[in-house]
Amino acid sequence: QITLKESGPTVVKPTQTLTLTCTFSGFSLSATGVGVGWIRQPPGKALEWLALIYWDDDKRYSPSLKSRLTITKDTSKNQVVLTMTNMDPVDTATYYCAHRHVAAVGTGRNWFDPWGQGTLVTVSS
Amino acid sequence: DIVMTQSPDSLAVSLGERATINCKSSQSILYSSDNKNYLAWYQQKPGQPPKLLIYWASTRESGVPDRFSGSGSGTDFTLTISSLQAEDVAVYYCQQYYSTLALTFGGGTKVEIK
Repeated sequence: QITLKESGPTVVKPTQTLTLTCTFSGFSLSATGVGVGWIRQPPGKALEWLALIYWDDDKRYSPSLKSRLTITKDTSKNQVVLTMTNMDPVDTATYYCAHRHVAAVGTGRNWFDPWGQGTLVTVSS
Repeated sequence: DIVMTQSPDSLAVSLGERATINCKSSQSILYSSDNKNYLAWYQQKPGQPPKLLIYWASTRESGVPDRFSGSGSGTDFTLTISSLQAEDVAVYYCQQYYSTLALTFGGGTKVEIK
């Protein structure tokens, strides 16, 4: 059974850097084809994809946020870390990590299942 | 980016009746080399993360009830709930994965009981 859980600060101040950790079980991020993504959702709003990291350390970023994002993995700890710099109140959202769907392997494309429960991050001074 | 537009924003359907949700992409997400539509549908119940329902526009995820079906091709897609159950109250999102540069989601459609 695949599970993912996000952790990190619940409140950050404007201009600070956010660091979120996704701790997962039930799969290995060293196995061919595996990937973990980050998606966020402002309160009452739609989903926005942020970043993805593959088993081979290849990385993809949302073009609109690329300059602010860094995604890394620690295979030995079964963790993926997302950092976002220069946080602003508009970045207030629930941040989810999610497993790249098994059927996506070999396609070069990405959709996600399952997702973690998410962590709400509020940006406020 | 490929823009995904869902309609309606919300709908209220009686129990046992059909619910139809639309999703339109700003460009075709049908890949000619494999004739597949690069679209997924998710269900998000209140206070929960999204759950995958359908991928390749019409392939139901394992364990998803067969009252959920996806259809469409090119730029126009539909998620149909053939007989709405109380547990189907949720917000539904489409997502395109045609673009290798950016994954994008629709704005969501809220389904309620009439």
